[in-house]
Amino acid sequence: KAGVTQTPRYLIKTRGQQVTLSCSPISGHRSVSWYQQTPGQGLQFLFEYFSETQRNKGNFPGRFSGRQFSNSRSEMNVSTLELGDSALYLCASSTRPTSGGANEQFFGPGTRLTVL
Amino acid sequence: QKEVEQNSGPLSVPEGAIASLNCTYSDRVSQSFFWYRQYSGKSPELIMSIYSNGDKEDGRFTAQLNKASQYVSLLIRDSQPSDSATYLCAVGRGNNRLAFGKGNQVVVIP
Repeated sequence: KAGVTQTPRYLIKTRGQQVTLSCSPISGHRSVSWYQQTPGQGLQFLFEYFSETQRNKGNFPGRFSGRQFSNSRSEMNVSTLELGDSALYLCASSTRPTSGGANEQFFGPGTRLTVL
Repeated sequence: QKEVEQNSGPLSVPEGAIASLNCTYSDRVSQSFFWYRQYSGKSPELIMSIYSNGDKEDGRFTAQLNKASQYVSLLIRDSQPSDSATYLCAVGRGNNRLAFGKGNQVVVIP
């Protein structure tokens, strides 16, 4: 079974630009979560989508947004990029989320975003 | 108080020894717990999940959960150089949100 795929793998942008990252989950997985990883803050939750609905959102500004399509593929968008947005953006795939916790999540290779 | 804490600094262990990693969490109602391994420059890889108090063994890995003490640990037996990585503790917080600790670096010395 193919794993989680993310595109592109690397991106270089300048401040003020916007960026769109894509994630395709493991076949049969309908939950997609996004995380940001930086050396200072570690791994932080951005949002989670299930059946095209955002069910959970982390503590990030509104410049960070996402969506999920009917085939479970997901995209996240960051507008008006800031230097501090430079990070590894990770997508994780899972089966149906449980209300009381979380299921096993499998990460893609990530997109390394550099903002100049 | 942080949601998930991994306080130990880098851990150096000789090859063949046991590496022990600890993690505490703040929300008493947490139900699901995970350990991920992350090699430098790579994404996290799930190595263990645990949901009930007690021990869970998978090969050379053993996860231990104590919900009363809000404590989860990971033991790596017969440590190998390939186990050198950062180990991340994660706690499930509802609707598939994971809260992660900052991680512990493990170095296995041949």
